[in-house]
Amino acid sequence: DTAVSQTPKYLVTQMGNDKSIKCEQNLGHDTMYWYKQDSKKFLKIMFSYNNKELIINETVPNRFSPKSPDKAHLNLHINSLELGDSAVYFCASSQRQNTGELFFGEGSRLTVL
Amino acid sequence: DAKTTQPTSMDCAEGRAANLPCNHSTISGNEYVYWYRQIHSQGPQYIIHGLKNNETNEMASLIITEDRKSSTLILPHATLRDTAVYYCIVRGSGSARQLTFGSGTQLTVLP
Repeated sequence: DTAVSQTPKYLVTQMGNDKSIKCEQNLGHDTMYWYKQDSKKFLKIMFSYNNKELIINETVPNRFSPKSPDKAHLNLHINSLELGDSAVYFCASSQRQNTGELFFGEGSRLTVL
Repeated sequence: DAKTTQPTSMDCAEGRAANLPCNHSTISGNEYVYWYRQIHSQGPQYIIHGLKNNETNEMASLIITEDRKSSTLILPHATLRDTAVYYCIVRGSGSARQLTFGSGTQLTVLP
């Protein structure tokens, strides 16, 4: 039973399209995150939610909009996709917000053509 | 959060101990040292963390120097499946403190 699951695993789309990546965790954790790993393999945090409330919002274009319908889900919607959005997006969760022990999903590889 | 410095890559023979160093000379008193790894095409995996005492769990041991300016992650009997990028991260203890990943060390376990 996967602890942090993301869908889709692969996504290929054209520039200008809008797409969503979904994330669910079954660990009962309070905090969820989105990280982006670019082609140079650097992992950067994008957003963090604690109990459905946004607590970290790094310098990310406002084309990216996270949504947390409940504390087990954190979805990422991206509008007007650009070539530079191509990356692997990782969802993660942690038991609470003041811990560095995160559980990551397997990633969603987005390719924008 | 303090910056960390790690070697770009290391090799280790299968069955031997892998010792991965990390320098964090600007670490402050309330900052923890975390280690993660990322196996190719997978998400990062938490390994271990510590503040000042040495720590051990089923995956690895973490040795932190007395001045806390450096640490070593030890995989006691490396296997081929331990081939991965290992990240050493320093993180403060306050709420909403994020994990900042650097470039890590590519560990290759050789048969």
